Amino acid sequence: DAGVIQSPRHEVTEMGQEVTLRCKPISGHDYLFWYRQTMMRGLELLIYFNNNVPIDDSGMPEDRFSAKMPNASFSTLKIQPSEPRDSAVYFCASSSSTASSYNEQFFGPGTRLTVL
Amino acid sequence: QQQVKQSPQSLIVQKGGISIINCAYENTAFDYFPWYQQFPGKGPALLIAIRPDVSEKKEGRFTISFNKSAKQFSLHIMDSQPGDSATYFCAASIETSGSRLTFGEGTQLTVNP
Repeated sequence: DAGVIQSPRHEVTEMGQEVTLRCKPISGHDYLFWYRQTMMRGLELLIYFNNNVPIDDSGMPEDRFSAKMPNASFSTLKIQPSEPRDSAVYFCASSSSTASSYNEQFFGPGTRLTVL
Repeated sequence: QQQVKQSPQSLIVQKGGISIINCAYENTAFDYFPWYQQFPGKGPALLIAIRPDVSEKKEGRFTISFNKSAKQFSLHIMDSQPGDSATYFCAASIETSGSRLTFGEGTQLTVNP
C-alpha cells in the first residue's frame, strides 16, 4: 500500500484566498483524522471521520475551516478565507478499527501551508 | 481532563546515553498509550505502545514504563544513536471510543555523535 497520500505537499497562498488540502487514506481504513502542527501549539486534532461521517469537529478553529469526506478514499480540508495565522503543517492520518493494531494511526507526509 | 502533559520540551544526549521522556495524564479512562516518532519533514509514525495491564514494554532499545497509580508513563531510549534524533510524542486514547488520540506537546531529541 502507498500509505496515506496528501496533496499538495506545499502550498503558498495570499491572505483571503481559498485553500483546499486533499487526503487519500489507506485503503480499508475506516477512520480519518485531520491534524494541524505548529511550533506554538504542537499537534492539534481538527476533525475526524468514521466511515465517512464526521464524529468530532470541536478542534476546527473557526467557521473558515471545513472538512468533507465524500467517500472512503478521499477527504478535503478547506480554509476560506485563509489568514496568515493558518500557516502550519496539516497532516491527514487514517486507521482501521478491525486491524490487530487497532488505534494505530498512519500519518501522511503533510501539507506545509504558508499564507502570506 | 483530556490533556496529556509531556516533558521535557527538548533533550540533548550523547551517543550511547539514555534518553528519557515523561508523560502524565488525568483521565483514568485512557487505556492505550502509544509513542510516536517524527523526523523532520515527515509525519509522525508509531514507535511503541502499551496498555495498562502491564508496567513495562520493551522493543529493542525502546522501553515504555507505565505507572498506573501515578498516571504517568515514560519512554526510555537505551544506547541512544544520532539516528534517534527526532521529535517524540506521547499519546493516550480510550479504545472503546474509537481511534482518537490525545497527544502530548512533543519532545525534540538531539543525540550528539
